[in-house]
Amino acid sequence: NAGVTQTPKFRVLKTGQSMTLLCAQDMNHEYMYWYRQDPGMGLRLIHYSVGEGTTAKGEVPDGYNVSRLKKQNFLLGLESAAPSQTSVYFCASMGSARYEQYFGPGTRLTVT
Amino acid sequence: QQPVQSPQAVILREGEDAVINCSSSKALYSVHWYRQKHGEAPVFLMILLKGGEQKGHDKISASFNEKKQQSSLYLTASQLSYSGTYFCGTKLNAGNMLTFGGGTRLMVKP
Repeated sequence: NAGVTQTPKFRVLKTGQSMTLLCAQDMNHEYMYWYRQDPGMGLRLIHYSVGEGTTAKGEVPDGYNVSRLKKQNFLLGLESAAPSQTSVYFCASMGSARYEQYFGPGTRLTVT
Repeated sequence: QQPVQSPQAVILREGEDAVINCSSSKALYSVHWYRQKHGEAPVFLMILLKGGEQKGHDKISASFNEKKQQSSLYLTASQLSYSGTYFCGTKLNAGNMLTFGGGTRLMVKP
């Protein structure tokens, strides 16, 4: 039982490049989330999903897109990376009881 | 709107107590507490629901003052393992979005 996994762990991009971050969970959770964490800012919600095929915007969605084609996977895309998107990205999932989010280990992204 | 946490940082000796506060300007449905150790993912500690229900950690306690829209996390007889950054997350309704505060860094020294 791996819980929540994220790929890749680290990435360096040049401004304007694109990439996709993959989040996978093996707990059969309905809800999945993407957060970014910047120093002193806590965790800010980018997008989330309440089930396969559904997505919704969070607090800071601009510059990101997401897809949830399979229940266990939640993808976060950056179409044209900007230095302001340098951050640590965390994925989380939550079961139907809806009180505990399980976080993945994070992806450290640097955009130069 | 992001909840406000205080203090921003605290240093303790092993065995000492600490209180971390989380305040909101809006009426809250629930408050969630997480701890994040350096370089790791946040881990759930506790949830406090409107109406008084609590679920979570057996060594850490918390309160939720619905009138003041404030929650406090109580760390008693602190251990070295309590070191980390504590985040509160708040929900305004029974929906699915949590809004996190900026965090409180706690360091416990021997």
